[in-house]
Amino acid sequence: KAGVTQTPRYLIKTRGQQVTLSCSPISGHRSVSWYQQTPGQGLQFLFEYFSETQRNKGNFPGRFSGRQFSNSRSEMNVSTLELGDSALYLCASSLAGGSADTQYFGPGTRLTVL
Amino acid sequence: AQSVTQPDIHITVSEGASLELRCNYSYGATPYLFWYVQSPGQGLQLLLKYFSGDTLVQGIKGFEAEFKRSQSSFNLRKPSVHWSDAAEYFCAVGATGFQKLVFGTGTRLLVSP
Repeated sequence: KAGVTQTPRYLIKTRGQQVTLSCSPISGHRSVSWYQQTPGQGLQFLFEYFSETQRNKGNFPGRFSGRQFSNSRSEMNVSTLELGDSALYLCASSLAGGSADTQYFGPGTRLTVL
Repeated sequence: AQSVTQPDIHITVSEGASLELRCNYSYGATPYLFWYVQSPGQGLQLLLKYFSGDTLVQGIKGFEAEFKRSQSSFNLRKPSVHWSDAAEYFCAVGATGFQKLVFGTGTRLLVSP
């Protein structure tokens, strides 16, 4: 079974631009979560989607948004990019999104903001 | 709110030696605990998880972890380290009713020949 895939793997943007990242979960998984990883803040939860609905949200500004499609694929969008948004963005999928469900992570999208 | 502390930022172990990575958590109820490993430029791979039951959990690649409620700890161990184990290790805690994981700051493992 194919793992979680994320596209693109690398992105370079400039301040003020917006960016969209994509995540395809493992087949059959209905929950998708997004995390931001930076050297300074570590791994931080952004949000979680299940059946096209955002169920949980981390402590990030409204510039960070996401959505999930009927096939469980998810996108996250960051508008008005800032230098501090440079990070590895990780997507994780799980079967039903229960707290005991194992989250399987993708390889991440490395975003660099210049 | 839950939190995780990994007190060791870096650890260097000789190849073939035993390994123990420390993890302390804070959570009011019975936690869901995880250990993930991340190689450079890669995502996170699950090593093992604890939900309930036997407090000694076996994982992949020869790793095990022991849940100690009295010490709020979930330390990761391996009896004999291989050079390929060099990576960053993250302990995480999940809360009941939420899919969100709270991660520790990670421990970078270096393996010397």
